[in-house]
Amino acid sequence: GEDVEQSLFLSVREGDSSVINCTYTDSSSTYLYWYKQEPGAGLQLLTYIFSNMDMKQDQRLTVLLNKKDKHLSLRIADTQTGDSAIYFCAESKAGNNRKLIWGLGTSLAVNP
Amino acid sequence: EPEVTQTPSHQVTQMGQEVILRCVPISNHLYFYWYRQILGQKVEFLVSFYNNEISEKSEIFDDQFSVERPDGSNFTLKIRSTKLEDSAMYFCASSEGIIPYEQYFGPGTRLTVT
Repeated sequence: GEDVEQSLFLSVREGDSSVINCTYTDSSSTYLYWYKQEPGAGLQLLTYIFSNMDMKQDQRLTVLLNKKDKHLSLRIADTQTGDSAIYFCAESKAGNNRKLIWGLGTSLAVNP
Repeated sequence: EPEVTQTPSHQVTQMGQEVILRCVPISNHLYFYWYRQILGQKVEFLVSFYNNEISEKSEIFDDQFSVERPDGSNFTLKIRSTKLEDSAMYFCASSEGIIPYEQYFGPGTRLTVT
């Protein structure tokens, strides 16, 4: 079946790195995404990775994918208070539908 | 920067009433989606829409739900007879439909059924 799991909370100090983890069950997942939701706002696409990649870097964001363990992580370097939000991991498969299967979200608190 | 918009931001309705949630997807996008998030639960896929027809729907999307693209810009979700358990945040998303199939989301409509 399709399932995506994340830890619920993470607290870091400003300037430290944050690592948010995600596991998924569907080995046929092709695309994996990270979305950010700030309070009262919608779901903002942060980055994505194809399942044939191990790593993707985009400015302060680094995505690591361990396909064997079905483990995805999002590292935020030099975390700022503005990074406080809920971070969602989501997966989809190739095909016409491309529906997203979501984790519950990790609430990141950045302390000054 | 183009964005997905949704109206209203908050809708309160009584059980059994019909509601229509409206979305304006990004103009050159071809795929449209509705998701919902019940408080404290995961975001759930409801339906995807392409080429003026439903391409996939979830088990949640029963006969009480329908979608429509009445003109070239709007995409609507109708719930015919709302139930208490329909209370949720409803998100509309759109995608160009090309790799990597990025879906862009609107700010959501909070539906409260009393």
